Amino acid sequence: DAGVTQSPTHLIKTRGQQVTLRCSPISGHKSVSWYQQVLGQGPQFIFQYYEKEERGRGNFPDRFSARQFPNYSSELNVNALLLGDSALYLCASSLIGGGRETQYFGPGTRLLVL
Amino acid sequence: KDQVFQPSTVASSEGAVVEIFCNHSVSNAYNFFWYLHFPGCAPRLLVKGSKPSQQGRYNMTYERFSSSLLILQVREADAAVYYCAHCPGSGNTGKLIFGQGTTLQVKP
Repeated sequence: DAGVTQSPTHLIKTRGQQVTLRCSPISGHKSVSWYQQVLGQGPQFIFQYYEKEERGRGNFPDRFSARQFPNYSSELNVNALLLGDSALYLCASSLIGGGRETQYFGPGTRLLVL
Repeated sequence: KDQVFQPSTVASSEGAVVEIFCNHSVSNAYNFFWYLHFPGCAPRLLVKGSKPSQQGRYNMTYERFSSSLLILQVREADAAVYYCAHCPGSGNTGKLIFGQGTTLQVKP
């Protein structure tokens, strides 16, 4: 079975632009979480979606938004990109969500903002 | 502030048992999660729980505010970054709090 997939694998943008990252969860999983990982740090929680509703949100500005589709895939959108948004963006899926459940991660999208 | 702490680097020799320690200041924390991350690959869950657990060569100890990951018979191929993570509060938000990661160095 396929694991969590993310696209694209790498992306280069310039300041002020907007970016959309995509994630497909493991088949049967209904929850998707997004994390930002800056170089040298652990992943930081951005938000989790379950059944197309935002369940929880981390300490990120409104420039970060996401949505979940009926097939449970998800898109992360970041507007007005800043240099500090350069990071690895990880998507994780789980059966029904909640932090106590195992979250299975994808390989991430590496975003570079110039 | 909810935080998870782990050493930045741990060194070991092949065949040894290596211990990576983690502690946290997360309120009402429940499960510990230990992930393995090779650069360019998806982080992979090794072991998790709210009590001592074992999965193959990976053992997890558990105390309310700390956990250790023990890797038995360490190999060069185990050289990677290991993350400790915690689920704060009731867990309903889906949030995991990660440590900064521990780089395991293995000497032949």
